[in-house]
Amino acid sequence: EAGVTQFPSHSVIEKGQTVTLRCDPISGHDNLYWYRRVMGKEIKFLLHFVKESKQDESGMPNNRFLAERTGGTYSTLKVQPAELEDSGVYFCASSFQGRGNTIYFGEGSWLTVV
Amino acid sequence: AQSVTQPDIHITVSEGASLELRCNYSYGATPYLFWYVQSPGQGLQLLLKYFSGDTLVQGIKGFEAEFKRSQSSFNLRKPSVHWSDAAEYFCARTVPYTGGFKTIFGAGTRLFVKA
Repeated sequence: EAGVTQFPSHSVIEKGQTVTLRCDPISGHDNLYWYRRVMGKEIKFLLHFVKESKQDESGMPNNRFLAERTGGTYSTLKVQPAELEDSGVYFCASSFQGRGNTIYFGEGSWLTVV
Repeated sequence: AQSVTQPDIHITVSEGASLELRCNYSYGATPYLFWYVQSPGQGLQLLLKYFSGDTLVQGIKGFEAEFKRSQSSFNLRKPSVHWSDAAEYFCARTVPYTGGFKTIFGAGTRLFVKA
């Protein structure tokens, strides 16, 4: 069974450019999460989808970040325009519905803004 | 608010020595608890989890953790550390909210292993 996959694995962009990160959750997982770890700091929650519906986007840093999950399958996280402080690793995770289900993480998308 | 605390920012142990990483949680009668590891340049790997039942949980790579309700703790242990265990370790828990459940993390403990 395929795990959570993320693309690209690494990206280097200039300040002011746009980057779109993609996440393919494990098949059948309704829950999809985005997390971010910046500069070796804490892993911060960004947002949570259930199917195509955003349940909580309280962790999104600002309106330069836009997440979508069309059709309730894969999700994209767009950063536009990127700033230096956006550098870090962006993790996607997914799980089945219900509390007792483990959240599985992808390998992360490592973003460097120069 | 429900939270996870890892008191130690970094720990250094000698190869072959035992290891214990501390984790405390706040609030919640029945927390669902996890330990993840992130090796340099790698993603997050689940080491073990506790939902209910036996309070001593076995995980991968020879790790175990013990849930102690009276101390609100879920410490990670390994009897003999290998150099490849050098990484950052995160304690985490799921928290409920109106939209479902989400995972929150402690600040992490970086483990250094010396020869």
